Amino acid sequence: KQEVTQIPAALSVPEGENLVLNCSFTDSAIYNLQWFRQDPGKGLTSLLLIQSSQREQTSGRLNASLDKSSGRSTLYIAASQPGDSATYLCAAYAGGTSYGKLTFGQGTILTVHP
Amino acid sequence: DAGITQSPRYKITETGRQVTLMCHQTWSHSYMFWYRQDLGHGLRLIYYSAAADITDKGEVPDGYVVSRSKTENFPLTLESATRSQTSVYFCASSEGASGRVYEQYFGPGTRLTVT
Repeated sequence: KQEVTQIPAALSVPEGENLVLNCSFTDSAIYNLQWFRQDPGKGLTSLLLIQSSQREQTSGRLNASLDKSSGRSTLYIAASQPGDSATYLCAAYAGGTSYGKLTFGQGTILTVHP
Repeated sequence: DAGITQSPRYKITETGRQVTLMCHQTWSHSYMFWYRQDLGHGLRLIYYSAAADITDKGEVPDGYVVSRSKTENFPLTLESATRSQTSVYFCASSEGASGRVYEQYFGPGTRLTVT
């Protein structure tokens, strides 16, 4: 059974800092890995999807990497802003007989203070 | 509007009542999913559907029933609601094809309270 762990559970940083959120998964036979953002009381906003054949994806100040062999993904946020404050979730896509099923981590609560 | 919608957005019901949460998508995606989100457990898959009339259990299916008579709709029914089913429910959809896994798109969620 796939398990996804996110470290740290919470992170507080001053504005302008670069930061890294970590995600690890136990079953390396994943297809894709996706990072989401969730604001309090809101739904999930997709940030980046890394396909199994890729090692990283970039969107603006965000960069996500995927290392299937070590079972790890990282989300790098450059020059953090207060508007980046949210919960960040990573989720691993299964293949094979569990096609398309997502297993989520518990999330990292990020607070960026001015 | 194009996309994935859920209704109602908020629902309060009593223990023992039946309640149905609706999910509708306009992309003609073949796959649809239901998740629940709880503090301490994160998001967990309840049921999913690979196509109309094809459904399968996820991680936490007990107490829930799904159906999918049309590609665009995937209702989730709690046949006899319990307090433990108080949660936020998210619906998602994705394309599907043999040998590939496609990105899931999530609805805005339904906050359900069972009293």
